[in-house]
Amino acid sequence: QKEVEQNSGPLSVPEGAIASLNCTYSDRGSQSFFWYRQYSGKSPELIMSIYSNGDKEDGRFTAQLNKASQYVSLLIRDSQPSDSATYLCAVSSGAGSYQLTFGKGTKLSVIP
Amino acid sequence: EAQVTQNPRYLITVTGKKLTVTCSQNMNHEYMSWYRQDPGLGLRQIYYSMNVEVTDKGDVPEGYKVSRKEKRNFPLILESPSPNQTSLYFCASSLFRGRDTGELFFGEGSRLTVL
Repeated sequence: QKEVEQNSGPLSVPEGAIASLNCTYSDRGSQSFFWYRQYSGKSPELIMSIYSNGDKEDGRFTAQLNKASQYVSLLIRDSQPSDSATYLCAVSSGAGSYQLTFGKGTKLSVIP
Repeated sequence: EAQVTQNPRYLITVTGKKLTVTCSQNMNHEYMSWYRQDPGLGLRQIYYSMNVEVTDKGDVPEGYKVSRKEKRNFPLILESPSPNQTSLYFCASSLFRGRDTGELFFGEGSRLTVL
């Protein structure tokens, strides 16, 4: 059974700070990694995808991947109250695999 | 506007009464999938489809059926709903390019209550 683990939170950070969200996965063969944001009562929306070791930056968001440690993280710089949501980590075995396994999510609260 | 449309958005039904939740996407996506979301359990995949007439089980397929007769539509069928199928259901789609199946567009969700 493939597992994706996240700290459920809530994670509280002050406005303007860096929020750090972490995710570990059990399947060493995993190739593709995704971060989704889900506002309360809404559907998940993709914010980042990462496929190679290292960092990937998109605006205030940075995804970090370390396959050796089976660890993926999401950093949100200059956190805003509008970033308050649940962040879902998702992992796929990549090409040839059609199943996507989600973590249970980390709830982030950005305090004004 | 690119979208995934689910219907109904809300439904209360009784045990054993067959129901279908429809899902339609207008992005010409090959890959479609159904998830259920429950408190404390997160999003779990029910079924997915790589293309027309090609479907496969996800992690929690028991009690559900699907079909993919047209590229744009992927209905979820509950032949004999039970209370443990009370949940929030999401349909999602993506272009099928191997690893990009994880870049999903989600529908707005269908909240189902089985009494």
